[in-house]
Amino acid sequence: EDKVVQSPLSLVVHEGDTVTLNCSYEVTNFRSLLWYKQEKKAPTFLFMLTSSGIEKKSGRLSSILDKKELFSILNITATQTGDSAIYLCAVGDGNQFYFGTGTSLTVIP
Amino acid sequence: GAVVSQHPSWVICKSGTSVKIECRSLDFQATTMFWYRQFPKQSLMLMATSNEGSKATYEQGVEKDKFLINHASLTLSTLTVTSAHPEDSSFYICSARVVVVNTEAFFGQGTRLTVV
Repeated sequence: EDKVVQSPLSLVVHEGDTVTLNCSYEVTNFRSLLWYKQEKKAPTFLFMLTSSGIEKKSGRLSSILDKKELFSILNITATQTGDSAIYLCAVGDGNQFYFGTGTSLTVIP
Repeated sequence: GAVVSQHPSWVICKSGTSVKIECRSLDFQATTMFWYRQFPKQSLMLMATSNEGSKATYEQGVEKDKFLINHASLTLSTLTVTSAHPEDSSFYICSARVVVVNTEAFFGQGTRLTVV
């Protein structure tokens, strides 16, 4: 059975801290791994990763994929209260996307 | 990124009535649309995969006759919750993917359904 597991389930940090969110997967016919940020409504797209070892970066956020060990990490540096959200990891196999349970991040001022 | 519009964003209905939710891809053609349900503080649960011009593929445990999905065109899919009950109250989100396989899925704004 295909699955995506995220850890930790929840995280509380202070502003300025750096956090690392983890996503491991077991998906047959892996095509891509995606990270989303979900605040009050629908998820917003952050990154799509298809190749191992190539870091994707957007401001304070970065992500990398390891296809050999079947995981990805999402890093957020110098966290701000606006980073508080649920971060979802999804893996696509060409037909559908399998979502992890998400990591709930709370950034305290 | 591509835009997916979902309507309505929230709806309240009485038990026993039906509710239709629309999902439109505004600036691209989506051969595949996905319908998810999300419970509070939980991740997205895939309900069904909708392919244009064919019957939707439902996930195990999702009632086909209760959650009717229609994908009549490359830009529109609808989810109809029939004979709604309070336990159907949830957040429903659609996403659409462009024709090329290895692309991200774009999400609609979601619909908060409350059945009273």
